[in-house]
Amino acid sequence: RKEVEQDPGPFNVPEGATVAFNCTYSNSASQSFFWYRQDCRKEPKLLMSVYSSGNEDGRFTAQLNRASQYISLLIRDSKLSDSATYLCAVNPPTYGNNRLAFGKGNQVVVIP
Amino acid sequence: DVKVTQSSRYLVKRTGEKVFLECVQDMDHENMFWYRQDPGLGLRLIYFSYDVKMKEKGDIPEGYSVSREKKERFSLILESASTNQTSMYLCASSLGGAGDTEAFFGQGTRLTVV
Repeated sequence: RKEVEQDPGPFNVPEGATVAFNCTYSNSASQSFFWYRQDCRKEPKLLMSVYSSGNEDGRFTAQLNRASQYISLLIRDSKLSDSATYLCAVNPPTYGNNRLAFGKGNQVVVIP
Repeated sequence: DVKVTQSSRYLVKRTGEKVFLECVQDMDHENMFWYRQDPGLGLRLIYFSYDVKMKEKGDIPEGYSVSREKKERFSLILESASTNQTSMYLCASSLGGAGDTEAFFGQGTRLTVV
């Protein structure tokens, strides 16, 4: 069973709309959750960490649902520049303190 | 800011060549990683290292080796390049320790083996 699963999409989003997607993780004892953004042909860059209390940064909101074992990312008022692939990352206890398990990413395409 | 630098953005090599991909980080991170990324397959871990001269196999180590002689530098070696090793290679580093798992990536090396 994979440590982390994401629906690859693509998620086609009209400009100005809200889009949300989830990332499920298999190990309930996982710690340290992150969302990364990856532009086409570039490296992943940290978008935000996901805390138990949730995290908000401008138009982006991340939440952790431990009971159902998923993290979510919501983008409000989508901009064309939000088009990218969003990777989730989780630290499962089987990986020790140092290694992350990455999902394959949710591809978001914002349409004018 | 953490900086992870990979030696080349683009590389073209011939089948059978020995290929070296270099990665340097400037934040005294304990952990360094080499991934490859292919369409539809996501990031796949090749090798990682928790300390100097220490290495651990990841999920797809076959055909690769690594070297970490200094803390800041982690090299990926393709002993005899093959066309199925054409890919985007990403180096990453992290501080290490509980709660310090955030990974920082280099800009990637797009390797084509012909």
